[in-house]
Amino acid sequence: EAGVTQSPTHLIKTRGQQATLRCSPISGHTSVYWYQQALGLGLQFLLWYDEGEERNRGNFPPRFSGRQFPNYSSELNVNALELEDSALYLCASSLNRLTSYNEQFFGPGTRLTVL
Amino acid sequence: AQSVAQPEDQVNVAEGNPLTVKCTYSVSGNPYLFWYVQYPNRGLQFLLKYITGDNLVKGSYGFEAEFNKSQTSFHLKKPSALVSDSALYFCAVRRYYTGTASKLTFGTGTRLQVTL
Repeated sequence: EAGVTQSPTHLIKTRGQQATLRCSPISGHTSVYWYQQALGLGLQFLLWYDEGEERNRGNFPPRFSGRQFPNYSSELNVNALELEDSALYLCASSLNRLTSYNEQFFGPGTRLTVL
Repeated sequence: AQSVAQPEDQVNVAEGNPLTVKCTYSVSGNPYLFWYVQYPNRGLQFLLKYITGDNLVKGSYGFEAEFNKSQTSFHLKKPSALVSDSALYFCAVRRYYTGTASKLTFGTGTRLQVTL
């Protein structure tokens, strides 16, 4: 069974540009989560999508946005990039949102570098 | 609000010795608790979880964790450490929530260094 996949592996942008990161969940999983892992800051929850809707949002500005497609894949968009957006962006998926005890399965991440 | 504390940034242990990585949590209601491991330049891998029942949970790679409700702790343990266990370990908590699921909150991580 294929795991969570993310693309691209690495992304280099300059300040002010936009970045688009993509994630495909494990087959059968409807929930997709996005996390930011900046150096020394642990994992910060960004966004959670399930069944095409945004279910929860972390403490990030509106320039961080995303969506979930009918096939449950997801896209994270970061507008007006700032230097501090440089981080590893991790996507995770889990079975449906109705059970809190389902573990999340993580992809390998996209390393975003903002110059 | 829910939170997780991992009081040690780094734990050093010799190979063959037992290891413990500490985690305490704060959440209203019943918690679901998780441990994940992250190897360099990789995503997180699920190790084990506590839902209910037996306070001692066994997981992957010989790891186990003990849930202690009175101390609100969920420490990760392994009887005999391996050099290959060296990695970054994250504890996480999620609150049971009727009707829908709450978000997962992670601790800041503990780096485990196992030496020969």
